[in-house]
Amino acid sequence: DIVMTQTPLSSPVALGQPASISCRSSQSLVHSDGNTYLSWLHQRPGQPPRLLIYKISSRFSGVPDRFSGSGAGTDFTLKISRVEGEDVGVYYCMQATHFPYTFGQGTSLEIK
Amino acid sequence: DVQLAQSGAEVKKPGESLRISCKGSGYNFNSYWIGWVRQVPGKGLDWMGLIYAGDSQTRYNPSFQGQVTISVDKSTSTAFLQWSSLKASDSAIYYCARHKYSSGWSPDYWGQGTPVIVSS
Repeated sequence: DIVMTQTPLSSPVALGQPASISCRSSQSLVHSDGNTYLSWLHQRPGQPPRLLIYKISSRFSGVPDRFSGSGAGTDFTLKISRVEGEDVGVYYCMQATHFPYTFGQGTSLEIK
Repeated sequence: DVQLAQSGAEVKKPGESLRISCKGSGYNFNSYWIGWVRQVPGKGLDWMGLIYAGDSQTRYNPSFQGQVTISVDKSTSTAFLQWSSLKASDSAIYYCARHKYSSGWSPDYWGQGTPVIVSS
């Protein structure tokens, strides 16, 4: 299975400040069709996860533009340009290039 | 609006069987894949497998193959996750989620989750 490793595991950030989360995969996530199926999800306490970013950098419908994704191959990054209170929770990267799909272990974002 | 409505919380004993459900609405259910994800409280997400509603084609995570069965009833736009003999280690929240190619196979809409407690 592809192992997805996120850093940091915990990130205290002040309101209005930027935040960055890294995700590294144990193998390249470039699919044979040329796409890279790396996504980012956000889970608030007591709620299901919600999709933020797919295919490295495409924002899902309704996701604020303060969220951006980048990367290639095995190294990916989620950036929040200015953290707001509603951004607290756990962020997961997920790969859907190789079966079985796998998630990172999660990064907890908290307000400093 | 796309919605995935999951069945309610379950409390079962080890060895019992269980089937939980996920009913899709607001989109063409038969044209999408539905996946299942396990989350042990306080822990991360485990992808279990997915099923194409149109023809019931199924892909399982080998870690869950033989432990659970994923199925679908097109006539009611409902996907199912079932166990024939529960273990205490099956206690978790189970989410269903829609997957589609244009969202990079990512789970774009999620159900609210079904908590399952297995305890003697």
